[in-house]
Amino acid sequence: SQQGEEDPQALSIQEGENATMNCSYKTSINNLQWYRQNSGRGLVHLILIRSNEREKHSGRLRVTLDTSKKSSSLLITASRAADTASYFCATDYNTDKLIFGTGTRLQVFP
Amino acid sequence: DAGVIQSPRHEVTEMGQEVTLRCKPISGHDYLFWYRQTMMRGLELLIYFNNNVPIDDSGMPEDRFSAKMPNASFSTLKIQPSEPRDSAVYFCASWPGQGLTLMSGELFFGEGSRLTVL
Repeated sequence: SQQGEEDPQALSIQEGENATMNCSYKTSINNLQWYRQNSGRGLVHLILIRSNEREKHSGRLRVTLDTSKKSSSLLITASRAADTASYFCATDYNTDKLIFGTGTRLQVFP
Repeated sequence: DAGVIQSPRHEVTEMGQEVTLRCKPISGHDYLFWYRQTMMRGLELLIYFNNNVPIDDSGMPEDRFSAKMPNASFSTLKIQPSEPRDSAVYFCASWPGQGLTLMSGELFFGEGSRLTVL
């Protein structure tokens, strides 16, 4: 399977703390995306990073990409209870389809 | 735009029954994807269409599964006959395509159809 792996599977933190999630993938990619899924809802796109980019920011989100290690990380700074959700990375593997990772369940306690 | 619309949101059926899930993509989007989500296997890509044509159905688990896209605004995923192991949340997603490079933009997901087969 080409499915990426995410680490950790689950993460619990207090409001105000930073949350870091990691994603590893298997072969070369054009882009890597991060999505968020609230319980019982569909996935929502957060950020896209291209294979020639190393870091990208969007609000409280910071994404890094290391193509030599085939890994990416998502950092959420100053987390809020509303950030509680599952977070998935997705890679294209040089095709016109997205393959999703296994996800990280983030719980932010008030 | 109303986004990707899926129906039904919840379906409970008995083993052996036919199940039809429906999806209306965002107008103007050339690509439509069907995913299945379970605790055990995560998000699996089942099939995707480009301009109403199925491009890759390698993720369809068995012949019991079939998908169609008769026009740009409607797609169905059918399971016949259904089995308990088909219980999952089925997502439809669309993507504009149209001159964009491979998967250079976000997928827009529907809210999913939760299927329970008893």
